[in-house]
Amino acid sequence: DAGVIQSPRHEVTEMGQEVTLRCKPISGHDYLFWYRQTMMRGLELLIYFNNNVPIDDSGMPEDRFSAKMPNASFSTLKIQPSEPRDSAVYFCASSEGGGNYEQFFGPGTRLTVL
Amino acid sequence: AQSVSQHNHHVILSEAASLELGCNYSYGGTVNLFWYVQYPGQHLQLLLKYFSGDPLVKGIKGFEAEFIKSKFSFNLRKPSVQWSDTAEYFCAVSAGSYSGGGADGLTFGKGTHLIIQP
Repeated sequence: DAGVIQSPRHEVTEMGQEVTLRCKPISGHDYLFWYRQTMMRGLELLIYFNNNVPIDDSGMPEDRFSAKMPNASFSTLKIQPSEPRDSAVYFCASSEGGGNYEQFFGPGTRLTVL
Repeated sequence: AQSVSQHNHHVILSEAASLELGCNYSYGGTVNLFWYVQYPGQHLQLLLKYFSGDPLVKGIKGFEAEFIKSKFSFNLRKPSVQWSDTAEYFCAVSAGSYSGGGADGLTFGKGTHLIIQP
């Protein structure tokens, strides 16, 4: 299995631009998670899906952030408009189940907003 | 809501030294506990986890952790570290299976950067 795939690996954009991050979970995994990592706040859960349905989006920082999962093999995290404080590494993870199941992480997307 | 505290942000040890990384969590209900590791340039990967049963759990690469419920702790240990253990270590918690839906995401500690000197 190829593991969790994220694209792009690096993104540099200017303030105000729209940014779309993509994730392909491991086949057969029912859960998909989006996390953000910054020096100040560490790793934070943004949102997660179960069977393509958003379950908890309480970690999404504001309305500029949105996430979708149109099918079991693809999810996007969109920031519109982007701001310099959105600069971070964004990780996608998937798991077979919730709770005590291992989450498998992708390599992350390093986003820099100038 | 859960929170996780890792006591040391940076730890430097010599090879063959013993390792213990502290982790405390706050949550009133049943929890699942994890240690993840991120080696330089690699993905986050699971070292070990606890969700029930024997509170002493063994993971990959000789790591182990002990869940002490009365202390809300889940410290990571390794009796003899190697240079290849240099990495970032994260303690994480999720709500247990009896807590209801919508609680499957992980709450992470800030991480401990471990450097092993040869």
